[in-house]
Amino acid sequence: QVQLVQSGAEVKKPGSSVKVSCKASGGTFSSYAISWVRQAPGQGLEWMGGIIPIFGTANYAQKFQGRVTITADESTSTAYMELSSLRSEDTAVYYCARDSSGWCSSTSCYEGTGGFDYWGQGTLVTVSS
Amino acid sequence: EIVLTQSPGTLSLSPGERATLSCRASQSVSSSYLAWYQQKPGQAPRLLIYGASSRATGIPDRFSGSGSGTDFTLTISRLEPEDFAVYYCQQYGSSPLVFGQGTKVEIK
Repeated sequence: QVQLVQSGAEVKKPGSSVKVSCKASGGTFSSYAISWVRQAPGQGLEWMGGIIPIFGTANYAQKFQGRVTITADESTSTAYMELSSLRSEDTAVYYCARDSSGWCSSTSCYEGTGGFDYWGQGTLVTVSS
Repeated sequence: EIVLTQSPGTLSLSPGERATLSCRASQSVSSSYLAWYQQKPGQAPRLLIYGASSRATGIPDRFSGSGSGTDFTLTISRLEPEDFAVYYCQQYGSSPLVFGQGTKVEIK
């Protein structure tokens, strides 16, 4: 059974950065993309970007380009999301999720089932002066 | 970028009733790469449906998905007390992987 365990809640000042971790257990960490999704208080879900650990290249939503960096460490089965230049509007719960729509070996990618089938428990990031 | 519009915003129903939720895309969703999620307060979303109509592992058969192209539907055949929640659609056929704004199913 795949489990994604995220780091704890953070309180940050405007203008600073935050780095949230997502440690995977069970399954094959490197082969599936990990996405980051955030949810502001009382609001809907917003996809920020994702990474396929075996390739190490990330894909970002245009809204967050230049402010977000998603990385993955295959040796520890951990994905990271760093968001910089924080402002009050970045106050949200940040989730990592496994994207089951495809999986990759070192040479090829294959179609999977689809959707985000496993989620972390969420990390509340509060931006306040 | 594909925009997903869900309707209605809120659905007020009683246990045992049928719920029909709509998700409309601004352009065709490739290969029906559309998913539905359920989210309860304080919890992470849960995958219900992928590929527009396939139920995820462990999802009861009262949940069904249909549609293609730009129009998709999630149907809950008979609402159980635990089904009252917020539901989101998501397209994953092209980047960015957008979500709809959600439909809240509340107890009437």
